[in-house]
Amino acid sequence: ETGVTQSPTHLIKTRGQQVTLRCSSQSGHNTVSWYQQALGQGPQFIFQYYREEENGRGNFPPRFSGLQFPNYSSELNVNALELDDSALYLCASSSTITGAGNTIYFGEGSWLTVV
Amino acid sequence: AQSVTQLGSHVSVSEGALVLLRCNYSSSVPPYLFWYVQYPNQGLQLLLKYTSAATLVKGINGFEAEFKKSETSFHLTKPSAHMSDAAEYFCAVSDPFTGGGNKLTFGTGTQLKVEL
Repeated sequence: ETGVTQSPTHLIKTRGQQVTLRCSSQSGHNTVSWYQQALGQGPQFIFQYYREEENGRGNFPPRFSGLQFPNYSSELNVNALELDDSALYLCASSSTITGAGNTIYFGEGSWLTVV
Repeated sequence: AQSVTQLGSHVSVSEGALVLLRCNYSSSVPPYLFWYVQYPNQGLQLLLKYTSAATLVKGINGFEAEFKKSETSFHLTKPSAHMSDAAEYFCAVSDPFTGGGNKLTFGTGTQLKVEL
């Protein structure tokens, strides 16, 4: 149990649709990041949020966007879904944005299938 | 850019045998390194992390890893494998200078199989 919860756990969407994934970070954690894990691959960094602002982004197009709320929970939004967006989406939280050696706690992920 | 390479996408050991999972990193600065485990249909669980305090790092479930700068390696070991160790293992590196505390770069993973 990492204290990071994600919803929904599984969902199926049609190509071209939009999806919102949700994450509640561990209590006291103000930094949230999102990763995409395609089947058989390692997770890839999408972006991170600190104090409700995006702070760092990986190599993902603008149709991947996010929000962080005052209670530090977060959403990942993906517009114009493509088949290649099918993956496990992982949320991770940390107690601070400073210091790259911080322990990062992952949720169990949301499985997205695009058909 | 930081990167890690995991040698061997699949490793099979007998129960009770030594587990050795290999990870080499590429970094222009001293890195922070992590090993995570992922059980089927689950998220990632931190096994251990290296943050320059000690080169030999002990983690959970009897795992440990040794940071070797001369070899740019951070291999994961466990003296005696247990059936419950069967899972996928990921090595990851974090950039210590860009403030990317949550920005991990992962390897492609090693699937560990433990046989009776």
